[in-house]
Amino acid sequence: GEKVEQHESTLSVREGDSAVINCTYTDTASSYFPWYKQEAGKSLHFVIDIRSNVDRKQSQRLIVLLDKKAKRFSLHITATQPEDSAIYFCAASKNNNNNAPRFGAGTKLSVKP
Amino acid sequence: EAAVTQSPRNKVAVTGGKVTLSCNQTNNHNNMYWYRQDTGHGLRLIHYSYGAGSTEKGDIPDGYKASRPSQENFSLILELATPSQTSVYFCASGEQQDTQYFGPGTRLLVL
Repeated sequence: GEKVEQHESTLSVREGDSAVINCTYTDTASSYFPWYKQEAGKSLHFVIDIRSNVDRKQSQRLIVLLDKKAKRFSLHITATQPEDSAIYFCAASKNNNNNAPRFGAGTKLSVKP
Repeated sequence: EAAVTQSPRNKVAVTGGKVTLSCNQTNNHNNMYWYRQDTGHGLRLIHYSYGAGSTEKGDIPDGYKASRPSQENFSLILELATPSQTSVYFCASGEQQDTQYFGPGTRLLVL
């Protein structure tokens, strides 16, 4: 089955700098790649996604890049703020009936003032 | 706003006991999921369902059963709880290849 690897377990940046979190996946049939944020002690909520028909998507300070050849996708957070500090999870799923998303292990991002 | 609720929010169980974790969604989503979160492992898929009456095994189904009696409800059952099942459990709902909405989580401690 699909396996998603999240390369950075922790990441520390200065406020205002950019942060980049990288993920790879194994199944070439995967075509939907969402990202979720988990603040300390809370549940996960959706932040941005990308589908395989595009290679870049931006929503305000968040940019997702997808390289289908390398089976790699990444989340770029620009102009980081302390409230960006959280655990970020990447996920991947296939466009089969009844296919469930698989998640990476998470990246704990710390934004230092 | 999509809503997924879980009960109980915290549970202490004894080894060998039966534990039932419940999840309810008001989103009318077809798909529901159970994951567990452990440090170093991220979110691992236990069971999922694509509609009332259906359950599918995820990546780590051993020791767990699931039940989807209705569109709204999806339960995770630990028939014989073990300390290795101590974890935080998240339920989610969503449609195929679309945003998942997560519940608040259940902290389970098996002694």
